[in-house]
Amino acid sequence: AQSVTQLDSQVPVFEEAPVELRCNYSSSVSVYLFWYVQYPNQGLQLLLKYLSGSTLVESINGFEAEFNKSQTSFHLRKPSVHISDTAEYFCAVSDVRSGGSNYKLTFGKGTLLTVNP
Amino acid sequence: DGGITQSPKYLFRKEGQNVTLSCEQNLNHDAMYWYRQDPGQGLRLIYYSQIVNDFQKGDIAEGYSVSREKKESFPLTVTSAQKNPTAFYLCASSPGTGGTGELFFGEGSRLTVL
Repeated sequence: AQSVTQLDSQVPVFEEAPVELRCNYSSSVSVYLFWYVQYPNQGLQLLLKYLSGSTLVESINGFEAEFNKSQTSFHLRKPSVHISDTAEYFCAVSDVRSGGSNYKLTFGKGTLLTVNP
Repeated sequence: DGGITQSPKYLFRKEGQNVTLSCEQNLNHDAMYWYRQDPGQGLRLIYYSQIVNDFQKGDIAEGYSVSREKKESFPLTVTSAQKNPTAFYLCASSPGTGGTGELFFGEGSRLTVL
């Protein structure tokens, strides 16, 4: 069984400041990792994902996350946030099973990022 | 455009009434899911279906029912047996077997019980 822990339920920051949203996971097998973003009263949108290869993955709007296998972490970072980044962010994990039977994501409880002017 | 369509976006019901939330996808995905979202609790899986005419209970299936008669459709019924149905409901789909687990979400349906 897998689990995901998002260490901060809320993160308030000022505009143009850097931010890190922390995510740790637990799994007995290899994993795929995802960050989703949710704006108020909307569904979740994929922000970025780690499947294999380079441990640093980037999104088109300046976020990046680094897969750290030894620390079982996948923290999300942005060097300078904007007001429009205010949203809830969810970390999620799925396991890489042999035979390709991969169909369930396990989500963290979310981190509400609030960017203040 | 390919995607997932949920309807209605907002729904009000009286206690004791059943209500059905619609979810349609045109992504040709095999797997579909229903999640419930409450403030501070993240997403909790209600039901999922990997193939037509088959579905499995998730973590909080009590008081809910689903059907999967067509590949593109996965409606959720919130029954009167659900003790606290007021919540935001999210439908999702994924390619299924052989995929990475990545989910594609609809815009959600907000149910309020009066």
